[in-house]
Parts: sequence; C-alpha cells; structure tokens
Amino acid sequence: QVQLLQSGAEVKKPGASVKVSCKASGYTFNSYPIHWVRQAPGQSLEWVGWINAGTGGTLVSQNFKGRFTITSDTSASTVYMELSSLRSEDTAVYFCARETGGTYFYWGQGTLVTVSS
Amino acid sequence: DIQMTQSPSTLSAFVGDRVTITCRASQHVNRWLAWFQQKPGQAPQLLIYQTSNLESGVPSRFSGSGSGPEFTLTISSLQPDDFATYYCQQYHNFTSTFGPGTKVDVK
Repeated sequence: QVQLLQSGAEVKKPGASVKVSCKASGYTFNSYPIHWVRQAPGQSLEWVGWINAGTGGTLVSQNFKGRFTITSDTSASTVYMELSSLRSEDTAVYFCARETGGTYFYWGQGTLVTVSS
Repeated sequence: DIQMTQSPSTLSAFVGDRVTITCRASQHVNRWLAWFQQKPGQAPQLLIYQTSNLESGVPSRFSGSGSGPEFTLTISSLQPDDFATYYCQQYHNFTSTFGPGTKVDVK
C-alpha cells in the first residue's frame, strides 16, 4: 500500500536550517508529484510547494521563495524539504503529500519543526 | 493568488443534524476542489475530490457540490466520529490553497 514516511521531530535555533525527509513506498516513485504543506499550531494548512519526482522540477509558494528548497533522490524514493533562515513563525508540523488530479490522497504522518532559542 | 474563505468558522451541532459548510474562492476556479477532515494530531484525510467525488472508504453521508467560486460540503446526518475540523482545498495553475477551516463541535 502507498506509504509516506517522514523523518522525526526537529528543534532548531533561529537562523538555522532544517531538512525533513519523506520516504515513499508502495507505488512508482517517479509517477506522482510530492507536495509539502505546513500547519502552525492551531492554524490552518498552508501549501508550501511541490516537486515532480520524475524530473526534479519544483514550484515553491511565493511566500517561501529563497528559503524553501525541495529535492528528491529517486534511488531512495525520498523527497526532502529544506527550510533556511528559520524564524519562530516557522514552528509548525510539515506534511508531505502525494498529489493526484490536483489533490492529496496520501499524506505523511507529519514532522514537527520547533524553532526556539 | 486565489484566496479561499469558509463559513462558518465554527459550527455547533447535535448528532443526527444535517450540516453544511461553504467554501468560496476569490476568483473562478475549476472543479479541482477537495474537502478534508482533520482530527487533532493527525494528518488531513481526503473526503471529497473534484468537487463531488467521494473518496473510497468515506461514508456516503458526506457529499460535495458547487461550481466556481462557491462550493459546499454536506454531512447528511452527523455522527460522533464527524466532530473535527474541515478544510477545502483548490488547485489552480499548479498551486494549492486551503481554506481557513471549519470546526464542527458538539452542541
């Protein structure tokens, strides 16, 4: 069955960077885009960006351009998201999700990133 | 960018009630509109995709309708497991936007 398994929680200081992984299994990795969505405590879902797992092409929300990088390792069926210059408002749960037809049928379990001095 | 609004932001209801949540886009969107249910500490779960298609395994009391810019999610008879937060999501020009959410709680 389709699974997206994310790496564990992270605690980072302001100004640092964080890298979160999302390992896919149960389907042909190159065939579906993977999106990243984040959710700050008590807040709604916020779309961050996506990667074409086959070509490596990416699109990132204007809200994050310059700080958010998405990469993939096809040999490991894994997508990575890296957020730099962290600030307290980046504290959130980060989800990866597989996109089909403009929506998300499968989600990772989420990774809590805490930014605190 | 397309902005999504939802109403109401909070809805108090009894088990057995018919519940309707509305999602409105800031401009016309196509049928790429989905609804998710989220419970605390969990990832969102897809309920409805492409406006009105019921995701496999989702109870038939959930239904979706509408056309750009206004869409609705209806729960025909609210069950105890349905108390949660609901989000709409649109996909346009390769970008996604989520609504602010509607929390359904016990009256």
